[in-house]
Amino acid sequence: QKEVEQNSGPLSVPEGAIASLNCTYSDRGSQSFFWYRQYSGKSPELIMSIYSNGDKEDGRFTAQLNKASQYVSLLIRDSQPSDSATYLCAVKGVDSSYKLIFGSGTRLLVRP
Amino acid sequence: EAGVTQFPSHSVIEKGQTVTLRCDPISGHDNLYWYRRVMGKEIKFLLHFVKESKQDESGMPNNRFLAERTGGTYSTLKVQPAELEDSGVYFCASSHPGPPSYNEQFFGPGTRLTVL
Repeated sequence: QKEVEQNSGPLSVPEGAIASLNCTYSDRGSQSFFWYRQYSGKSPELIMSIYSNGDKEDGRFTAQLNKASQYVSLLIRDSQPSDSATYLCAVKGVDSSYKLIFGSGTRLLVRP
Repeated sequence: EAGVTQFPSHSVIEKGQTVTLRCDPISGHDNLYWYRRVMGKEIKFLLHFVKESKQDESGMPNNRFLAERTGGTYSTLKVQPAELEDSGVYFCASSHPGPPSYNEQFFGPGTRLTVL
């Protein structure tokens, strides 16, 4: 079992729709969770961090965390073609290490 | 504020040669990290510096890899001798020294290494 799992996609949604990206993690003690967006050939760009159960909203993005289910998601409202990218879920290691453990990413395609 | 920068952007070398990658973190970021992504795999952690000290080297694959951060500013990652399986994209990231944002790591553009 991978430590951080994501569906590779592609997830295809029409412009203006809500895109829902999901991630599960294996270590129940994990406390810090991050979503990165990566355009092809570019660096991962941090778009959301979440540390507590519930929802965290930032503009068109909402991160949702459920530690009991070991599940974190990212919702993108009013999806735009420019949102087409690979979205990476990352979890901070549970020990004193600062390392991030990444999922393989979900490719999102927003159709005009 | 300038972001994390890496040099070179691409490097093509032959097996057995040496390559040195450089990373300049965001100014004021004491934490510096190296990650890499090999073909078809997830981004994997290599190591973490706090200023000039190696805090966590648990991801370094073997002793052909040497990372340094003299003076606590920029960092270098040397691969010597390079092997075919070292090909991939090497990312550097940095984070602020204090909580809570020390968790938030900002990535550089990466160095694409190809070993022939």
